Amino acid sequence: EAGVAQSPRYKIIEKRQSVAFWCNPISGHATLYWYQQILGQGPKLLIQFQNNGVVDDSQLPKDRFSAERLKGVDSTLKIQPAKLEDSAVYLCASSLFWGREDIQYFGAGTRLSVL
Amino acid sequence: GDSVTQMEGPVTLSEEAFLTINCTYTATGYPSLFWYVQYPGEGLQLLLKATKADDKGSNKGFEATYRKETTSFHLEKGSVQVSDSAVYFCALSDQQSNYQLIWGAGTKLIIKP
Repeated sequence: EAGVAQSPRYKIIEKRQSVAFWCNPISGHATLYWYQQILGQGPKLLIQFQNNGVVDDSQLPKDRFSAERLKGVDSTLKIQPAKLEDSAVYLCASSLFWGREDIQYFGAGTRLSVL
Repeated sequence: GDSVTQMEGPVTLSEEAFLTINCTYTATGYPSLFWYVQYPGEGLQLLLKATKADDKGSNKGFEATYRKETTSFHLEKGSVQVSDSAVYFCALSDQQSNYQLIWGAGTKLIIKP
């Protein structure tokens, strides 16, 4: 079974530029998550989708971050414009459903450096 | 609200040593508990889980027992290898967290040959 696919693996941009990350979840997984992981910290949930609807985006900085999951399959996370503090690893995870027995499966992540 | 506390790292051990990484939690309900591992340059992988009190999760020689009386889920391994070097995260999910994962800060494990 193919895992969660993310691209690119690495991205270096200058502040105020735009960047987009792509995620393709495990086939059949209804729930998709985007996390931000700053070096030395645990992941911070940015947004959770259930199929193509948003369940929780309370920690997404909506003035600069946006995400979509068209057709309830793959997803794109965008940052526009980027700030220095956005330097982090952006992780995508998916799960079959959403509930007590839920297990999240993670992609390898995209490491973003903002200069 | 829910929270997870892990022992601070880094934890440095010699190969074949016994490993314990402490994890305690605060939750009002009956959470599911998880250990995830992150190898250098990789994403997070589920290592083991337990969904009710006294359950023992195990995988790759690692074990953790869900202790409700002490609200703990300590990770143990009898004999560590250099390849176990990674960052280990304890996490919980429950109805109060809307079944989202509440993460500990992570514990970096370094195994020396």
